[in-house]
Amino acid sequence: DTEVTQTPKHLVMGMTNKKSLKCEQHMGHRAMYWYKQKAKKPPELMFVYSYEKLSINESVPSRFSPECPNSSLLNLHLHALQPEDSALYLCASSQVGFRNTEAFFGQGTRLTVV
Amino acid sequence: QKEVEQDPGPLSVPEGAIVSLNCTYSNSAFQYFMWYRQYSRKGPELLMYTYSSGNKEDGRFTAQVDKSSKYISLFIRDSQPSDSATYLCAMSGGSNYKLTFGKGTLLTVNP
Repeated sequence: DTEVTQTPKHLVMGMTNKKSLKCEQHMGHRAMYWYKQKAKKPPELMFVYSYEKLSINESVPSRFSPECPNSSLLNLHLHALQPEDSALYLCASSQVGFRNTEAFFGQGTRLTVV
Repeated sequence: QKEVEQDPGPLSVPEGAIVSLNCTYSNSAFQYFMWYRQYSRKGPELLMYTYSSGNKEDGRFTAQVDKSSKYISLFIRDSQPSDSATYLCAMSGGSNYKLTFGKGTLLTVNP
């Protein structure tokens, strides 16, 4: 099973709202990622967790707050977003180790900020 | 110079054609190479993963890596309308597991 599950599939939120995106995988992967994808662009890396610790933050604004409660779950907490933050948010996971770094993506959460 | 270059197309071919998609890269640290297929409004689906120079075949798909030329390719044989999607190359290297993507090539296979 190479499935990464993301919820919700769609989310509309106001600029003063607080919401969370959730991601779950049961492949035993110990690296998990958040990517942001705008229309007709490739995914852009936001955060990487390795062994449940944040290893990469690509200078993402603090209105995005990641959390990795355990090896299977990854959350992205959203607060005071701007309309330009509207995008497809993708979660991915991979193994950690030599030659095992292929990443599997979820179907994404399509976020609209109004 | 961007780290990964990929012609965005669009590319339109008739059903049954052989499709060739390519990426070039400049970072010698890249060791792992992936091709993803992404349908509109969906997440990327991993098609092929390679980490050495040479060819890797999976059904109608063949991935080719030439590290000396810093050039990777994906070939699709007997293309089908269901292959119509955006194809993204991605690569990584070192210890940080960060994927660097090409811009993606939009492919349309016409019945």
